[in-house]
Amino acid sequence: QKEVEQNSGPLSVPEGAIASLNCTYSDRGSQSFFWYRQYSGKSPELIMFIYSNGDKEDGRFTAQLNKASQYVSLLIRDSQPSDSATYLCAGSGNTPLVFGKGTRLSVIA
Amino acid sequence: EAGVAQSPRYKIIEKRQSVAFWCNPISGHATLYWYQQILGQGPKLLIQFQNNGVVDDSQLPKDRFSAERLKGVDSTLKIQPAKLEDSAVYLCASSLVSGGTGYGYTFGSGTRLTVV
Repeated sequence: QKEVEQNSGPLSVPEGAIASLNCTYSDRGSQSFFWYRQYSGKSPELIMFIYSNGDKEDGRFTAQLNKASQYVSLLIRDSQPSDSATYLCAGSGNTPLVFGKGTRLSVIA
Repeated sequence: EAGVAQSPRYKIIEKRQSVAFWCNPISGHATLYWYQQILGQGPKLLIQFQNNGVVDDSQLPKDRFSAERLKGVDSTLKIQPAKLEDSAVYLCASSLVSGGTGYGYTFGSGTRLTVV
C-alpha cells in the first residue's frame, strides 16, 4: 500500500526562523511530490511541486527531493505567524495523489 | 479563472439518513476527484473520474457511497445510509491531467458533514 509519512507535530518555530518539514514515501514509483498548506477549517492550497532530485526554490519556500532515500522536505525561510498551518505532503506516480497526515506548524511571534 | 465549486458547505444529518454533495470543477479540467478528510488526517481518495468515466474507485465504500459525473462536468457524491464514522470534510478537486503530474490539484472549499 502506498504511504506517505509525516510527523504530525506540532512543530513550533520562532518568527524569522527556518521551519523544516519532512516527509517520507513508500512507493518507489512515485514521481511527483506536492506540498499543500491547509489553514484550520479551510481546504488545501498548493504551495509547491517537485519531481527532480535536488532543490527547488520559490520565494521563501524550498522543496527538496531525494528519490534514493524516498525523502521530501519543505523549508520555509523567515517564518511568519501567517505560515502557521498544517502542511500536507503528497506523492503520485501517475496515480491519484496520496497524502500524508500533515504536520502542524506554529510560528511564534 | 473560477475555482472548484462545492455545495453545501455544511451538513448535519442523523445516522442512517442519506446525503448528497455537489461539485463543479474548473472549466476544462477533465479529471475530478473526491477525497474524504477526517479531522486530524490527510485527505483520502474516494473516487477519480476522467471525463465521465470512473478511473479509480478502489477505496470507495460501495455499500453506502456512490458517485457520478454526468456529461463529464458536474459530479455528485452520495452517502446512503450514513454512519457516524462518515463525519468528515468531503473535498472535491480537479486537474488538467490525470494523476499527480503537472500542476497538482485545485481543491474546492469542501463540505463538512456531521453525522449524529
